[in-house]
Amino acid sequence: NAGVTQTPKFQVLKTGQSMTLQCAQDMNHEYMSWYRQDPGMGLRLIHYSVGAGITDQGEVPNGYNVSRSTTEDFPLRLLSAAPSQTSVYFCASRRTANTEAFFGQGTRLTVV
Amino acid sequence: EDKVVQSPLSLVVHEGDTVTLNCSYEVTNFRSLLWYKQEKKAPTFLFMLTSSGIEKKSGRLSSILDKKELFSILNITATQTGDSAVYLCAVEARTGANNLFFGTGTRLTVIP
Repeated sequence: NAGVTQTPKFQVLKTGQSMTLQCAQDMNHEYMSWYRQDPGMGLRLIHYSVGAGITDQGEVPNGYNVSRSTTEDFPLRLLSAAPSQTSVYFCASRRTANTEAFFGQGTRLTVV
Repeated sequence: EDKVVQSPLSLVVHEGDTVTLNCSYEVTNFRSLLWYKQEKKAPTFLFMLTSSGIEKKSGRLSSILDKKELFSILNITATQTGDSAVYLCAVEARTGANNLFFGTGTRLTVIP
């Protein structure tokens, strides 16, 4: 049972570089989300999707893009990395509303 | 604005102690409240609460919701060093996307 798989686990970027964080789930869940976790800030929602082809912004979307071309995959793109994007990123999926969310193992991103 | 507040921010106890963690919320159109345990990596699901006054229990952990006073508690009895973690509270609102709003967490440290 793979659940939610995130890659990479660690990444160091230089300011201005772009990259994509990958997220895949094998549970046929409709709902997928990206969060960032910073010390003292809890988990904050970046972008989310309620199904293939449907995405929307969360609480802190600036500097990030997402797409959802399949039910399984929900990549997060950093367009031009900034030091303020240094964080731990979690992808999560849920079957529907009113169900638990399953989290990936996280990506620790450092922007220098 | 939707808000989830957890207290205390951190807590240090000795093995065998009983602890109570608190989560209060202000969310428009509340649907459910979820508790997660986060050790080094991904948050793992503990409980989902939707109805007031009904205790959910799993081993030494239990939780209850008060929808009138807008809070939940998570109790851990006979604590063990393996209970050391950050405990996260999340609230789901009945919005179009039913996203989860997280508190900042309570860091519990259990000393042998």
